[in-house]
Amino acid sequence: EDQVTQSPEALRLQEGESSSLNCSYTVSGLRGLFWYRQDPGKGPEFLFTLYSAGEEKEKERLKATLTKKESFLHITAPKPEDSATYLCAVQAGGNTGKLIFGQGTTLQVKP
Amino acid sequence: DAMVIQNPRYQVTQFGKPVTLSCSQTLNHNVMYWYQQKSSQAPKLLFHYYDKDFNNEADTPDNFQSRRPNTSFCFLDIRSPGLGDAAMYLCATSRGYPGTVGYNEQFFGPGTRLTVL
Repeated sequence: EDQVTQSPEALRLQEGESSSLNCSYTVSGLRGLFWYRQDPGKGPEFLFTLYSAGEEKEKERLKATLTKKESFLHITAPKPEDSATYLCAVQAGGNTGKLIFGQGTTLQVKP
Repeated sequence: DAMVIQNPRYQVTQFGKPVTLSCSQTLNHNVMYWYQQKSSQAPKLLFHYYDKDFNNEADTPDNFQSRRPNTSFCFLDIRSPGLGDAAMYLCATSRGYPGTVGYNEQFFGPGTRLTVL
């Protein structure tokens, strides 16, 4: 069964304190791994797509990496405005584009 | 700006009273998805359309139906809402199916928060 597990569930950081969020997955035929940011009461905002092991993508203070079993979202020198829930999702084999989401990591960055 | 719009943002209905949620997109994408997200849970796919072709997830209750009258609009109908249907309903679009890089990213609307009294 395709499955996505994110850890930790919640993370509190001081402003400027770098850290990483983990997304472990088991999927038959990975089509893509996606990272989204979700603010309270809003829809997920697309951040990155990773397609193959070894791939990396960066956007401002965020960097996403991918291995055959997991993905990391590295946050460098976070700011309070980075506080949000970060969702990881995988797209399995098949053609429907269905996303299987993890439970998310809720990040709080304190000034 | 091209975007995914959902109306209303907040919907309150009574137990058993039919309700319709609306989604529109200016991205001209072929695929439109409906996800259900309950409090502190991951979004869960209910169904999707590729153009006019409807694809239902096996575990989506019969109480949930959808219509896509044209490329831009898609509706979610809940025939007889129960207390367990209270959730955030998210509409998403993608250019196409996986197979071509850049075609399978999904872009979400702001969601409709449904409350069932």
